[in-house]
Amino acid sequence: AQTVTQSQPEMSVQEAETVTLSCTYDTSESDYYLFWYKQPPSRQMILVIRQEAYKQQNATENRFSVNFQKAAKSFSLKISDSQLGDAAMYFCAYRTSQGAQKLVFGQGTRLTINP
Amino acid sequence: NAGVTQTPKFRILKIGQSMTLQCAQDMNHNYMYWYRQDPGMGLKLIYYSVGAGITDKGEVPNGYNVSRSTTEDFPLRLELAAPSQTSVYFCASSHTPGGGSYNSPLHFGNGTRLTVT
Repeated sequence: AQTVTQSQPEMSVQEAETVTLSCTYDTSESDYYLFWYKQPPSRQMILVIRQEAYKQQNATENRFSVNFQKAAKSFSLKISDSQLGDAAMYFCAYRTSQGAQKLVFGQGTRLTINP
Repeated sequence: NAGVTQTPKFRILKIGQSMTLQCAQDMNHNYMYWYRQDPGMGLKLIYYSVGAGITDKGEVPNGYNVSRSTTEDFPLRLELAAPSQTSVYFCASSHTPGGGSYNSPLHFGNGTRLTVT
């Protein structure tokens, strides 16, 4: 079974600075998807960024980018120019490309933005 | 669009009681999921459905049951509530299997906070 591990329960960063959240995963599959979800206090889960395993190029969405290291099974999220609205729980998630394609989530990292 | 609607938002149950958590979506999504989120933990999949009349177990199905008689509704049933079921429950739906695409993401409800004492 696939597992996702986020080793940083909490992180903090000064507003306008850059922060990197770590995620590692374990799988025997070669084709899969990885995601970062954001969960603000409202509890609604919001998709931040996704990465297809077959793509070597790291995904980028505005201030959010990933460092995808397939051989190392590592998938970190970099947030540039941090804003107060970025404060939330961040979850790394894995999804197989087969079957019902269920999501497997990590434990989450709570990100605090200091003004 | 209402998206994914979960009711109730909060509930306190006594041990042994039963209840149904309601989930409805108005986006005509075939794929629906129930997750639970324990404090400081990620989401664990309880049950999922790939269409009306079809359900299957996720990672942590024990103590729960589901049904999917319509595309819109996917209720989660707790028959004999136990303290271990204290959690926040999320329902989600998607147009594509597993969601996760920018134009067809996984839509989450706002969650139901359940306490069993």
